[in-house]
Amino acid sequence: GAVVSQHPSWVICKSGTSVKIECRSLDFQATTMFWYRQFPKQSLMLMATSNEGSKATYEQGVEKDKFLINHASLTLSTLTVTSAHPEDSSFYICSARSLGNGDEQYFGPGTRLTVT
Amino acid sequence: RKEVEQDPGPFNVPEGATVAFNCTYSNSASQSFFWYRQDCRKEPKLLMSVYSSGNEDGRFTAQLNRASQYISLLIRDSKLSDSATYLCVVHLGDQTGANNLFFGTGTRLTVIP
Repeated sequence: GAVVSQHPSWVICKSGTSVKIECRSLDFQATTMFWYRQFPKQSLMLMATSNEGSKATYEQGVEKDKFLINHASLTLSTLTVTSAHPEDSSFYICSARSLGNGDEQYFGPGTRLTVT
Repeated sequence: RKEVEQDPGPFNVPEGATVAFNCTYSNSASQSFFWYRQDCRKEPKLLMSVYSSGNEDGRFTAQLNRASQYISLLIRDSKLSDSATYLCVVHLGDQTGANNLFFGTGTRLTVIP
């Protein structure tokens, strides 16, 4: 099946710093990538939809200036958490939808962010 | 109202038991349905798609009732390795560039020796 990687798998940073998370589709081209956040014991919450070559679409309540998304190519999307705070500590998961494979999304392994 | 609602769980069952999870969805235009499995601190992984005719994959059986907007997952002969959170996922249909994938909150299953 299609493989999506994320890097880093976990990161600890100090409050006020920025953290960049990469999401790559390894063996397919992804026209669309999605960024989710999951707090403990809760379901995935969609943060934003990222289309290659265009601006990301953010869900209500997600600050676009705080969570910067760049989808520069068909295989790479990045999420930058700017000026991170402890409440941003969460599990961030990306998924990718491949060309010509309408409904199915392939999930990355997730990035656990801890802000101290 | 949530797009997808699931049994809250948790379900604690002995090995070998049969367990069923239920899920309802609110949008009748939903087109595709899935069950995902998520282990602790891991990403969701597709367990199986759900078809109108019902489908079976080994010990797992999924059913869809479009009239009632209801999806189920049946696990027979539970194994310890089945312990996980099971997410009901509904896809609204492909709108270019949009995410129409809605997740339930998940049902936690623990299979006890």
